[in-house]
Amino acid sequence: QVELVESGGGVVQPGRSLRLSCVGSGFTFSSHAMHWVRQTPGRGLEWVAAISSDGNNQKYAGSLEGRFSISRDNSKNILYLQMNSLRGEDTAIYYCTRSDCGGVDCRLLQYWGQGTLVIVSS
Amino acid sequence: DILMTQSPSTLSASVGDRVTITCRASQSISGWMAWYQQKPGKAPKLLIHQVSHLDIGVPSRFSGSGFGTEFTLTISSLQPDDFATYYCQQYSIYTTFGLGTKLEIK
Repeated sequence: QVELVESGGGVVQPGRSLRLSCVGSGFTFSSHAMHWVRQTPGRGLEWVAAISSDGNNQKYAGSLEGRFSISRDNSKNILYLQMNSLRGEDTAIYYCTRSDCGGVDCRLLQYWGQGTLVIVSS
Repeated sequence: DILMTQSPSTLSASVGDRVTITCRASQSISGWMAWYQQKPGKAPKLLIHQVSHLDIGVPSRFSGSGFGTEFTLTISSLQPDDFATYYCQQYSIYTTFGLGTKLEIK
């Protein structure tokens, strides 16, 4: 069955960087667009970024102002989220999600990982 | 961004009740609406896509309807496993989510 396992979360100081990873299994990783979605009690579910199945196209939430970068390694079935210049408002649970098709505009989020918690605090 | 307004934010109901959750979009999203269920400490799970299409394995007591800007999720006869938080998602113009409806046991 489809499984997505995130890692890399933790406590980080404001202004520092963190890289999240997500390993996919149980499906053909290279055939599906992948997304990161974050969740906080106050703002709810917030889409962060997407990458096409071949890794050539990315999209980001406008509010991220170029601080985040999504990438993937299809040879290892791994999705990444590089987060730079972190702020307190980036504190959230970050979910890796699999879309229903391969283009970066495939936005139905069929499967979700269990999430990894990022806390930005001094 | 398209704003998704979900109501109510909390709903108290009993096993066997029929319940309806509403989601309104700030502009037309045609039929690009999905619903997710989330239980405490777990990830959201896709229930319904394209307004009314149940995902694989979702019980038939769940149904969705609507078009344009107003959509509903209905559970025809609540079961104990259904007490959770439900989110709507539009995926017409990129994607945004509602703030959720927490379905509680009365």
